[in-house]
Amino acid sequence: GAVVSQHPSRVICKSGTSVKIECRSLDFQATTMFWYRQFPKQSLMLMATSNEGSKATYEQGVEKDKFLINHASLTLSTLTVTSAHPEDSSFYICSARDWDKNGGAGGETQYFGPGTRLLVL
Amino acid sequence: GENVEQHPSTLSVQEGDSAVIKCTYSDSASNYFPWYKQELGKRPQLIIDIRSNVGEKKDQRIAVTLNKTAKHFSLHITETQPEDSAVYFCAASISRNTGNQFYFGTGTSLTVIP
Repeated sequence: GAVVSQHPSRVICKSGTSVKIECRSLDFQATTMFWYRQFPKQSLMLMATSNEGSKATYEQGVEKDKFLINHASLTLSTLTVTSAHPEDSSFYICSARDWDKNGGAGGETQYFGPGTRLLVL
Repeated sequence: GENVEQHPSTLSVQEGDSAVIKCTYSDSASNYFPWYKQELGKRPQLIIDIRSNVGEKKDQRIAVTLNKTAKHFSLHITETQPEDSAVYFCAASISRNTGNQFYFGTGTSLTVIP
C-alpha cells in the first residue's frame, strides 16, 4: 500500500528558531500533499494544500509567511515553521494523494504520514 | 467553506455491542466521505469510505451510510472488540482544481469495554 513518511518524528527547539518538517511519499508520486495540525484530543485542521511545482494554497487564518511550504518534487513536500513560538507547539501531520490513481487525475484517498510532534520552548 | 460536525465526542460500549458515530456536512458539493481511525500517537488510517452516488457500503463489521438529502453520514461498527478502541474521524471532501480537500469532523473517542 501507499506509504508516507515524515521526518523528524519529534523535535524540540528554542523560541525564535525555524524548524523544517519533511513529508515523503515512498512508493508513489504525489502532485498534491496536505499539511494538517492537530492539538491534543482534537481534530485534524487543514493548514495548506501543497502542489508540486506551484505555490501552496493556505487555509484561512494560516500565515503563509510563518508556515513555509515547498513541494519541490513529486515525492517531497516540506513545511518550515519560521520564528517558532511556544504556541506553535503541536502535532503536524502530512498526507498525500496518489497521482497515478484514476488515470492520472489523482486518487481521492489521502495517505497520512506518522506525524511530527513539535515542542517550542 | 465546508463544516463537518461529528457526534458523539466520546462513546463507550460493551464488547460485542454496536457503535454508531454520526456526521453532518454543510456543502452539498461534497462528494466523498472517508472515515479514519487514529490510535493514540499514530497516524490516521482509512477504514472505509463512501461516495455520493452510493447510499451504503459495508466491509465486514464496519458499514457506512450516506443520506445526501439530509447531508449526513454515519459509521456503524458491529460486534465491537477492544482493539476497536480509538479515535474515529469522519471527513467530507470537495473536489477542487488542486484535488480533493478533506474537512474533518471533531472526532469520536470510542472505548470498547471488555
